[in-house]
Amino acid sequence: GNSVTQMEGPVTLSEEAFLTINCTYTATGYPSLFWYVQYPGEGLQLLLKATKADDKGSNKGFEATYRKETTSFHLEKGSVQVSDSAVYFCALSDRPGGGADGLTFGKGTHLIIQP
Amino acid sequence: KAGVTQTPRYLIKTRGQQVTLSCSPISGHRSVSWYQQTPGQGLQFLFEYFSETQRNKGNFPGRFSGRQFSNSRSEMNVSTLELGDSALYLCASSLRWENTEAFFGQGTRLTVV
Repeated sequence: GNSVTQMEGPVTLSEEAFLTINCTYTATGYPSLFWYVQYPGEGLQLLLKATKADDKGSNKGFEATYRKETTSFHLEKGSVQVSDSAVYFCALSDRPGGGADGLTFGKGTHLIIQP
Repeated sequence: KAGVTQTPRYLIKTRGQQVTLSCSPISGHRSVSWYQQTPGQGLQFLFEYFSETQRNKGNFPGRFSGRQFSNSRSEMNVSTLELGDSALYLCASSLRWENTEAFFGQGTRLTVV
């Protein structure tokens, strides 16, 4: 079956540091890949997505590239802010282009940014 | 535009009881999915409804059930509650089942004592 593996953390960084959160996946076919963010007390928000190999998703300074050869979708940001503190989830969907059902999530990475 | 609304936000139930959670999707969205989030298992897919029909189901016991109404609102029911059912239950809606972004509600925090 499908699976997603990501570092769980917590990951603690200083403001303006470079961020990388690793994500690798196992899936048959050509899944769509996502990063979701969850702020305290909130539901999940879609941060970015990529639907085919070599696509780069980007939003709010975050980027991730769909690497089929390494089955990876690592999240990066050049300069993090305190407001980026949250839990980040890597996910995949085998629905073309994604959808609300059948998403497979990683365990989540708790990111803490210190001023 | 209003987001996905889940009610209630918090719930405390006793073992053996049953519970019903509600989800109102974004207006115009016809697909509603439910997920269970726990510290140990993370986020796990429960089921998905589209146009009042259950199209997809995760690996949960039959105590977990759901339904969708003609206005796309959805409910999920858990019968004979167990301590392990304590979790954050998230609902997500989307326009249709593919090629579309999923929007999540804030969730219902269920505690079973």
